[in-house]
Order: sequence, then structure tokens, then C-alpha cells
Amino acid sequence: GESVGLHLPTLSVQEGDNSIINCAYSNSASDYFIWYKQESGKGPQFIIDIRSNMDKRQGQRVTVLLNKTVKHLSLQIAATQPGDSAVYFCAENIKNQGGKLIFGQGTELSVKP
Amino acid sequence: EAGVVQSPRYKIIEKKQPVAFWCNPISGHNTLYWYLQNLGQGPELLIRYENEEAVDDSQLPKDRFSAERLKGVDSTLKIQPAELGDSAVYLCASSPYGTSGMDEQYFGPGTRLTVT
Repeated sequence: GESVGLHLPTLSVQEGDNSIINCAYSNSASDYFIWYKQESGKGPQFIIDIRSNMDKRQGQRVTVLLNKTVKHLSLQIAATQPGDSAVYFCAENIKNQGGKLIFGQGTELSVKP
Repeated sequence: EAGVVQSPRYKIIEKKQPVAFWCNPISGHNTLYWYLQNLGQGPELLIRYENEEAVDDSQLPKDRFSAERLKGVDSTLKIQPAELGDSAVYLCASSPYGTSGMDEQYFGPGTRLTVT
């Protein structure tokens, strides 16, 4: 399944499928990006980050892709599991504004067993 | 390692009453952040501390909100008086450095405030 991020805030996938969550960021001066996972009643939890001098970074079952030309970020989750159900936020850090993160709206991922 | 601790987890107050939230960041983390999160939205920064100094409070509504981090460790966020529109989750986060902006922020569980 694929989400268009801000325009489609809900993504439903079958267990075992791959998930793709998209995010458009606004500031070309952003130099650092993070994906967070937030489960109900909890604070955001770091998943993976990427710096602007990279276009791809892989973690365990997750991959982040960065396309600076169109200011687009995506999170790919391989073999999605029920425990992946949560709201996913992308966040951008704008260069020279210290640690201020600007969060996107979020996409709710629902995994069907 | 203990994470970011916040209390209380839930608070219900009547409008015009004061309320305070407390945060204990991860040990050794110099930078502390307070965020506001409305339902279905991403967190929005209210204030950022580098040790005891508030280095970015541009988004803090200073007519009713105040914050302090007196010894550069724990922090308190206060609202006085609370309004109905203040109902939200208040998140605290900390990071080891913060000044470069390129380090991970660790979030606490948040305090869910309901103003009636």
C-alpha cells in the first residue's frame, strides 16, 4: 500500500505486506529529517533519521528515502506487522535554527492480521 | 536507562484554573523541549532550553504560559489561567546536544490536559 502523506492520512495494509508512508516537506534549507512512530497514549518514538547529504538510509525493516529535488521523504516498512500500527510523523530540522523540529501532520498506519 | 519522565499523565481542570506540568529529562541531556500536540496533529514546539537558558521561546504564548528549568535538569511548564483551547497533550523531549539540530530527540509520554 502507499500513502500520499498529508493528503491521505490513513493507510491500511495486510500483515506481511510492505508499507510506504510519504511526506512532503516545505523548507529547502532543511538539513536533517526524522521519522517518528507514535502509539496511542505514548510520546513519539524515533525510528530512523537521514541527513540531507544522503538519499537513502536503511535500518531494521525500515528504509528512508530522501528526494531533495521535490522535497519528498518516504518511509518504507518491510513485512509490516501488527505492532507497526501507529501514527507516523516525519519531522524536518531547518538549518541554523538549532534543534527546532517541524513535524508533518502524520499518517495513521493500520495493519490487518 | 530511564527515559523522559513526565507527570501528571492526565489532568482535568476547569477553565481559568492554573495547571503545571513537570518533566525530568534523560540524565546528561543538556537540551530540553516542550511541545504541544493537538489531536491528530504533529507536535509543535513551545520552548527549547539549553541547560538553564531558554534559547527559543518564540512559540510560547507568554500571556498565560510560563516555563522554567532552574538547575538545568527538571523543567516545569505552567498555564495560568487555562482556556478551553489549551486542551491538548503536552510533550517533553530531551536531546544530548541540540545546538546542531542533528541529534535525536527523546520524548516522554506526555500529559493529556482537558480543560472543561
